[in-house]
Amino acid sequence: GQQVMQIPQYQHVQEGEDFTTYCNSSTTLSNIQWYKQRPGGHPVFLIQLVKSGEVKKQKRLTFQFGEAKKNSSLHITATQTTDVGTYFCAGMLKGGSEKLVFGKGTKLTVNP
Amino acid sequence: DAGVIQSPRHEVTEMGQEVTLRCKPISGHDYLFWYRQTMMRGLELLIYFNNNVPIDDSGMPEDRFSAKMPNASFSTLKIQPSEPRDSAVYFCASSPARSGGRETQYFGPGTRLLVL
Repeated sequence: GQQVMQIPQYQHVQEGEDFTTYCNSSTTLSNIQWYKQRPGGHPVFLIQLVKSGEVKKQKRLTFQFGEAKKNSSLHITATQTTDVGTYFCAGMLKGGSEKLVFGKGTKLTVNP
Repeated sequence: DAGVIQSPRHEVTEMGQEVTLRCKPISGHDYLFWYRQTMMRGLELLIYFNNNVPIDDSGMPEDRFSAKMPNASFSTLKIQPSEPRDSAVYFCASSPARSGGRETQYFGPGTRLLVL
């Protein structure tokens, strides 16, 4: 079935270092969404990418959607302790389904 | 808006007991999703509804799980009988109707279920 693979599973960084998480789908996606879940919290929507090759920025966060619409990445520049949490990508299949397939997430810890 | 509301927030029960989880979606949202989150399997979609009608229940693990949405403002996920392997965090999420693209999902705070 449809799978969305996300790496790395864990990432430990020093405050100020950059961080990147990668997402790959076995099939072409209609769009991809990114969510952040703080420890003990629930997933919160960050952004949605729809177009092939799309790049979006939110302050220190940069999101990319691959040309083939099968992969995506989230890059955080100069991490802060407030960036701690698990980042999930979630792909939506082409063809009209509203079903999101979530990656396993990348858990980010930031040492001050 | 109060956001998606789930109850209870925590549930501890014994194996074999019936468990009912409740969800109130954001008013006006047409889609409702039930997810289960565990360390081993991550975030899994169990079932989703559109306008109160179940659309895809392929993620429901087995017949012990059932979900209903009797009206636009209420849904339940029932496990009967419960087993220890059902221990997880269960999230409900809702989404507005499509408007030319796919919509974001708004998650509730989750119900942390422990089956002893």
